[in-house]
Amino acid sequence: KQEVTQIPAALSVPEGENLVLNCSFTDSAIYNLQWFRQDPGKGLTSLLLIQSSQREQTSGRLNASLDKSSGRSTLYIAASQPGDSATYLCAVPFYNQGGKLIFGQGTELSVKP
Amino acid sequence: DTAVSQTPKYLVTQMGNDKSIKCEQNLGHDTMYWYKQDSKKFLKIMFSYNNKELIINETVPNRFSPKSPDKAHLNLHINSLELGDSAVYFCASSQSGLRYNEQFFGPGTRLTVL
Repeated sequence: KQEVTQIPAALSVPEGENLVLNCSFTDSAIYNLQWFRQDPGKGLTSLLLIQSSQREQTSGRLNASLDKSSGRSTLYIAASQPGDSATYLCAVPFYNQGGKLIFGQGTELSVKP
Repeated sequence: DTAVSQTPKYLVTQMGNDKSIKCEQNLGHDTMYWYKQDSKKFLKIMFSYNNKELIINETVPNRFSPKSPDKAHLNLHINSLELGDSAVYFCASSQSGLRYNEQFFGPGTRLTVL
């Protein structure tokens, strides 16, 4: 059974800091891993999709890495800004289950000006 | 150009009522999903349809009945609403394939049962 865990549950940093969010999964037989952002009261915005054959994926100030063998992914945010404040979720599609996503509990990020 | 849209955005109703939530995607995807986000913000799959056929049905009470009239639409009908049904319901879509491509989510429908 696939389980996804995110640490820490909450993080508060001053503006300008580089930070790392962690995601771990128990079953390494994944096709890909997706990182999302959720603003309070809003839907999910897809940030990055990293395929199982990739080690990294970058979009602007965001960089996601994937280590299948150790069951880990990290989301690196460079030069954080108050506008980055949101909940960040990682998710993996469940193997042979129609692509349903198994989500972590999320990391609530607050970037203070 | 909204990719995945849901209506209504907010739904407040009494216990025992029947209600529906509609979802439409204009991405040309062949797979659509319903997820439920509970009060602790945890997201969990409910249903998945591929080309109008049900492919995932998690342990969800049979008061919940999804309907897919075509590939671009997946509606969720809920009978005899209960207090515990209060949550945010998200619709999502993706293109199926060997690698389960990126999923795109709608804005959510916040359901409150009084």
